[in-house]
Order: sequence, then C-alpha cells, then structure tokens
Amino acid sequence: AQKVTQAQTEISVVEKEDVTLDCVYETRDTTYYLFWYKQPPSGELVFLIRRNSFDEQNEISGRYSWNFQKSTSSFNFTITASQVVDSAVYFCALRSNFGNEKLTFGTGTRLTIIP
Amino acid sequence: DVKVTQSSRYLVKRTGEKVFLECVQDMDHENMFWYRQDPGLGLRLIYFSYDVKMKEKGDIPEGYSVSREKKERFSLILESASTNQTSMYLCASTPGQGMVFSEQYFGPGTRLTVT
Repeated sequence: AQKVTQAQTEISVVEKEDVTLDCVYETRDTTYYLFWYKQPPSGELVFLIRRNSFDEQNEISGRYSWNFQKSTSSFNFTITASQVVDSAVYFCALRSNFGNEKLTFGTGTRLTIIP
Repeated sequence: DVKVTQSSRYLVKRTGEKVFLECVQDMDHENMFWYRQDPGLGLRLIYFSYDVKMKEKGDIPEGYSVSREKKERFSLILESASTNQTSMYLCASTPGQGMVFSEQYFGPGTRLTVT
C-alpha cells in the first residue's frame, strides 16, 4: 500500500522568511512519481512539480526548490523569501508507474504567510 | 491549456436527494477522476475512469456511483445524499495514452452541503 505523510498540519511564517514543507512517502514500487500541488483559497489545485524515482536531482524554480531523497523517502519543498501570495494549502502526492494512474495524496499543509 | 470544468462551485441539497456532479474536460483525456477533500484527510479517490463506459472504484466508493457516456464528461452521482457527504468534490483528468508521467489536471471543485 502507498502512503504519503505530511506531518505539518499548519505553518505560519512572517513574510520574507524561508519555509520548508515536509513530505515522507511509503511505497513498495521501484518506479514511481512524486508531485506537489498548491491549493490557493480559490480551491483549484495547481500543479507545481513532478519528479520520477530515478531522478534525485534537486529542482529549483524561482523561489521554489525541492529536495528529493530516496534514502529517507522524502520529497521536501522549500519556499525562499516567502510572500503573502504563497499562502495556500500544499499537497504532496505519490503515483505508481504501474497499473492505473491513481494519486495518493498527503493530508496537506496549510501555509500562512504573515505580512 | 487543459480546461477541466465542474458544473457548480457551490451546491446545497437535502438529505435523500439524488445529486449529480458534472465534470467536463476539453483536451481529449482518457482518464478522469473524482476525489473528495475533507479537512485533515486530504484528497481521497472516489472513482476513476480510463475510458468511456469504464469505471473503477477508488478508496471510498460507498454511497457514490459514476457515469461516463462520453469521453469528455464524467459524472458523480449521489443516489441518496446524506449529511456525511458534505464535502468539497474535485474532478481531475490525465491524458492516458501512454503518458504515464503526466500530472493530473484539476477542476475548480464543487462544495456540496447536504442539510
């Protein structure tokens, strides 16, 4: 069975601080994909990044960066110099490379950036 | 851009009513999904479909059914709505067609309240 754990239910930081959102996953598959989605107050999930299990390179996109470590089954997300617009619920998700394309989601982390 | 639309943003129904939630995607995607989102539980898969008239149960199918008569449309049906089905419902789609690496594209969600 697959499982994604986001232990941080809510985080609040002051604007311009850096913040890291944790994601730990469990799977028996050797090939899988990991995702991060952002859900702003409007409700629609916005895709942020996809990473496959063979690619452990860290990814940076502007103020966003992701650290994928297979050894600890973690796929953490860091926002540098946070802004109020980053306030949202963030979901980490896992998908097997086999069978159907079902996503297993974590329970989400609500991030609040305080101006 | 892929567009996934849902028939209503907000819906209020009475216990025992039959409820239809409609989802339409405009990118000829093969796979479509219905999730419900509840605080502290993240997104949970109700049903998904990988082709017209094909459907598979997700993690929490009880109390729900689905219909996919056309490729672009995937309907979620609550045969007899109950208060514990009050939730946010999210529809998603993926290309399928061998593109196993694709992210899921989400609609804006329908917030259903059953009184």
